[in-house]
Amino acid sequence: GAVVSQHPSRVICKSGTSVKIECRSLDFQATTMFWYRQFPKQSLMLMATSNEGSKATYEQGVEKDKFLINHASLTLSTLTVTSAHPEDSSFYICSARETGTRSGELFFGEGSRLTVL
Amino acid sequence: AQKVTQAQTEISVVEKEDVTLDCVYETRDTTYYLFWYKQPPSGELVFLIRRNSFDEQNEISGRYSWNFQKSTSSFNFTITASQVVDSAVYFCALSELTQGGSEKLVFGKGTKLTVNP
Repeated sequence: GAVVSQHPSRVICKSGTSVKIECRSLDFQATTMFWYRQFPKQSLMLMATSNEGSKATYEQGVEKDKFLINHASLTLSTLTVTSAHPEDSSFYICSARETGTRSGELFFGEGSRLTVL
Repeated sequence: AQKVTQAQTEISVVEKEDVTLDCVYETRDTTYYLFWYKQPPSGELVFLIRRNSFDEQNEISGRYSWNFQKSTSSFNFTITASQVVDSAVYFCALSELTQGGSEKLVFGKGTKLTVNP
């Protein structure tokens, strides 16, 4: 079946540094990818919709300058947490739907756990 | 606004018991999709089922079954003869159209299921 891969799965960084998380669709093309954030024991909250070749669409309350999203190709979207602070520590999960499908199965990556010291 | 409510925060059962996880949703859309995902302790999201709003047939897949009732806006999930490996957090989700026309998922808060031996 379709696979979405995230890298890195775990990252620890110092406060003030930037961290990049990659999301790749391995065997299908994804015009649209989604980035979610999950706090411990909480639900997944959509941060932004990543659109190939255009700007991401951010959910209300999500700082676009803080969470930079780039969707440069049909198989890769990146999320960069800029000037990370401890409150940015969270589990970040991406998802993708195959181009041309509508409301089909959303495939999720394995998630990336960010810890900011 | 769309909303997904999973009233049960945590459920604990003994192996071989049947357990039902509740999901109630709110939407103004006439066409929508409902999903269930499983999140084991490792963190990745595992797709279980997708159901569109026009298909009210109940579905059974092995020990899993789903009861979709439009009249009560519910999409409940039952595990029969539960096993320890079923222990996970289960999320119900509802698809929603974004401003850009793509669809995103709105998740419930999840129900943590613990199956004890």
